[in-house]
Amino acid sequence: DAKTTQPPSMDCAEGRAANLPCNHSTISGNEYVYWYRQIHSQGPQYIIHGLKNNETNEMASLIITEDRKSSTLILPHATLRDTAVYYCIGREYGNKLVFGAGTILRVKS
Amino acid sequence: GAVVSQHPSRVICKSGTSVKIECRSLDFQATTMFWYRQFPKQSLMLMATSNEGSKATYEQGVEKDKFLINHASLTLSTLTVTSAHPEDSSFYICSAPNLRGFGTEAFFGQGTRLTVV
Repeated sequence: DAKTTQPPSMDCAEGRAANLPCNHSTISGNEYVYWYRQIHSQGPQYIIHGLKNNETNEMASLIITEDRKSSTLILPHATLRDTAVYYCIGREYGNKLVFGAGTILRVKS
Repeated sequence: GAVVSQHPSRVICKSGTSVKIECRSLDFQATTMFWYRQFPKQSLMLMATSNEGSKATYEQGVEKDKFLINHASLTLSTLTVTSAHPEDSSFYICSAPNLRGFGTEAFFGQGTRLTVV
């Protein structure tokens, strides 16, 4: 599975968009980009995934660059409850999820 | 939606005893489940892949005799920490892939906080 690189931490003002970047320059053509988040002392929560097209669901949007070497998770209107560790993972269908260090997102009022 | 239930959520045990953690998929069948361990301020570390009807596959460096995994049915996997020691104190999390859709997501249990005293 592809190695991903994320900034260790980010701050975001409540109500503003949170844009979380992820580099995955070694991603292969069969690997999806997955985003999960983990709120303190809970199991990870699925957010969104994509292959090469941009994706949007009720939680977030995922923007994947044309060369697929990087992506950005967008939380359009961050709330205090979005404070969590966000993980970007490159993974082939059905494979195990391998977590990196992730980005600690702090949403501040 | 699909849910993975993990039990217990918190357990304290004495050093030298064994602890069993259960992971159930509630409304879907899971032929494969994954077990993770997470130490404070660290990321999740994959320990092993639990396979229904066959032996578990352990990641490098994980002692299979210490962390016994049994995938008894299509909805239940158990992790037993044998002869627990204080260094085994950690947050243990299970996961099951939802194979109903392409590009499947994985569902996670709520985790088990193990404290060995």
